[in-house]
Amino acid sequence: DQQVKQNSPSLSVQEGRISILNCDYTNSMFDYFLWYKKYPAEGPTFLISISSIKDKNEDGRFTVFLNKSAKHLSLHIVPSQPGDSAVYFCAASDRGGGYQKVTFGTGTKLQVIP
Amino acid sequence: EADIYQTPRYLVIGTGKKITLECSQTMGHDKMYWYQQDPGMELHLIHYSYGVNSTEKGDLSSESTVSRIRTEHFPLTLESARPSHTSQYLCASSDPSTGRNTEAFFGQGTRLTVV
Repeated sequence: DQQVKQNSPSLSVQEGRISILNCDYTNSMFDYFLWYKKYPAEGPTFLISISSIKDKNEDGRFTVFLNKSAKHLSLHIVPSQPGDSAVYFCAASDRGGGYQKVTFGTGTKLQVIP
Repeated sequence: EADIYQTPRYLVIGTGKKITLECSQTMGHDKMYWYQQDPGMELHLIHYSYGVNSTEKGDLSSESTVSRIRTEHFPLTLESARPSHTSQYLCASSDPSTGRNTEAFFGQGTRLTVV
C-alpha cells in the first residue's frame, strides 16, 4: 500500500517555463512534507519542505504548495533550468510519533530541454 | 555539501559471498538510516539507528544486518549475498537537535550487483 504517490514517472519542460511536479498522499497523519532531488549516481539531496500548518513555502525558484483537504502537494520550479533535470522524490512524515519516519514516493524524472 | 560517505560506489560480487557496505558521516549526527532502492521505485527503509549501540529494522524486511559501534560509522553486512539482493543501497543521517529531524543527508549510494 503506497502512502505517497507520484503518478507521473516523467516530465519534460522547456527551459524558462514552469515545472510542476505533483504528489498525493493517503495517510492523514502525515504532517511534514519534503522534496528531494536526485542526480544519476548520486544520493538524494534535500530541496524544500513544508509543515502541515502552512499551505505554501517558497525558496528561490522553488515553491511547494500543500492542499491538506485534497491530500495533495506540488512543487513548482520557475523558471526551469537545464540543471534542474533530475529525479524528484516527494516524501512525507508523521512527526507525532516517537520515531520520525519518512515515506518516499517513487519519484518523477524531470527533463528540462534547453 | 553533506559529509556522508559510502564505499564502495559499485560492487559486483558472486552468490554466497559476505559483503559489508560502509557508511561514515562526519557531522556528528545521532540518527542514521539505510535505504534500499530499485530503479523506478521508492526508497524503502531497511535499518535505522538512534545512536551508538542502537539498531532497528525498518519497514522493508531485509536479510542484511547493521551495527553502530561509533557515532560516525554505520556499516551494513550481508552474510551470504544472493541475486535478489541486487539493488542500490543508500545511507543517510539526520540531526534531531535542529528541530528538522526528517531532513536527511544522503551518501552517494552503493550499487550492488550479485551474480
